Amino acid sequence: NAGVMQNPRHLVRRRGQEARLRCSPVKGHSHVYWYRQLPEEGLKFMVYLQKENIIDESGMPKERFSAEFPKEGPSILRIQQVVRGDSAAYFCASSPRLSGGPDTQYFGPGTRLTVL
Amino acid sequence: DQQVKQNSPSLSVQEGRISILNCDYTNSMFDYFLWYKKYPAEGPTFLISISSIKDKNEDGRFTVFLNKSAKHLSLHIVPSQPGDSAVYFCAARGNSGNTPLVFGKGTRLSVIA
Repeated sequence: NAGVMQNPRHLVRRRGQEARLRCSPVKGHSHVYWYRQLPEEGLKFMVYLQKENIIDESGMPKERFSAEFPKEGPSILRIQQVVRGDSAAYFCASSPRLSGGPDTQYFGPGTRLTVL
Repeated sequence: DQQVKQNSPSLSVQEGRISILNCDYTNSMFDYFLWYKKYPAEGPTFLISISSIKDKNEDGRFTVFLNKSAKHLSLHIVPSQPGDSAVYFCAARGNSGNTPLVFGKGTRLSVIA
């Protein structure tokens, strides 16, 4: 039973380019979360998605960032026109369908984005 | 405004002794608390959790204590092992729906052989 998969593990972009980060949740999990971790900081929530729906995007910058979780395929976090401040580790987590109580989120290995 | 605080950035403990990692929170709406362990270049790994209806949860060498009136929780690891050396993150969330986690900044634990 594979865990959360993220690719690429490392991504280098020049300022102004686009970055696409992919996340495949645990099989059977229908909830996906994206978090960002800056150096020496904790993880900060960005966006929460269910299949084909954005549930909460309160932590995601309004400009340049977008996320999707299509019916088929992985969840994508897209960053347009990257800037140096976007350099961080981006983690995806998934949890199963709500079962009447809070579900534990399981994290992927992360994508380390470096903007030159 | 940091809602989950881990005030000790690092902690060193001798192998075999007890490690105590502390976490404070400010949001009284938090109802569910988790500890994650993170090795370098890996994602956080779920360790143990506790609901606000409990004050203690134990799993092997790991025990989490919750003091709701003080808005404080702690993770005890006993006996500590060198493989426990990692960054430990405290996280909290509300108990309604699959709400996002709010993380502390982490405590780096070093277990010295």
